[in-house]
Amino acid sequence: AQTVTQSQPEMSVQEAETVTLSCTYDTSESNYYLFWYKQPPSRQMILVIRQEAYKQQNATENRFSVNFQKAAKSFSLKISDSQLGDTAMYFCASTSRDTGNQFYFGTGTSLTVIP
Amino acid sequence: EAQVTQNPRYLITVTGKKLTVTCSQNMNHEYMSWYRQDPGLGLRQIYYSMNVEVTDKGDVPEGYKVSRKEKRNFPLILESPSPNQTSLYFCASSPWDRRNSPLHFGNGTRLTVT
Repeated sequence: AQTVTQSQPEMSVQEAETVTLSCTYDTSESNYYLFWYKQPPSRQMILVIRQEAYKQQNATENRFSVNFQKAAKSFSLKISDSQLGDTAMYFCASTSRDTGNQFYFGTGTSLTVIP
Repeated sequence: EAQVTQNPRYLITVTGKKLTVTCSQNMNHEYMSWYRQDPGLGLRQIYYSMNVEVTDKGDVPEGYKVSRKEKRNFPLILESPSPNQTSLYFCASSPWDRRNSPLHFGNGTRLTVT
């Protein structure tokens, strides 16, 4: 089994500033995948960014980027130039194809962007 | 439009009255799964299915049933709902053949059991 830990239940950031959401995971598997999902007040789950564990290069998607530290089992999400529409709950998730077929989610970080 | 469709969006029921939450996807995905979301606990997997007639328990399967008779449909059945099953439920699917495939989620079902 895998575990995913998000230690920041709530965070806030000023509009246009940068914020980093932390995520750590625990797995004994070598072939796994990591994701960040965004859940705005509409409660829809939206994929923000994904990372394959075998890739050393950090994934980026426009204003969103990750800091993937494989040895430390850390997968933080950096949001640059924060916008009001970034206000949402953010979930870190992991999965592996080697054993089992489950997705594991963290408990979430509620991010508020302040105008 | 490619999507996962869940129904209903909101459901209020009483203890013990059987209910079914439907889930359908039009993307020909092999993998489908159900999650419940509770404050402070994140999303927890209830059941998942790798293909037709293949289902497996997730982390919190007690009190739930599923079936996968067709590739596109994966209903969640609560045979005797209890108040501790009050939660926000999500269905999701994934094209499991692509190794980094994310989950595609439905819009959620808010269930209240009184």
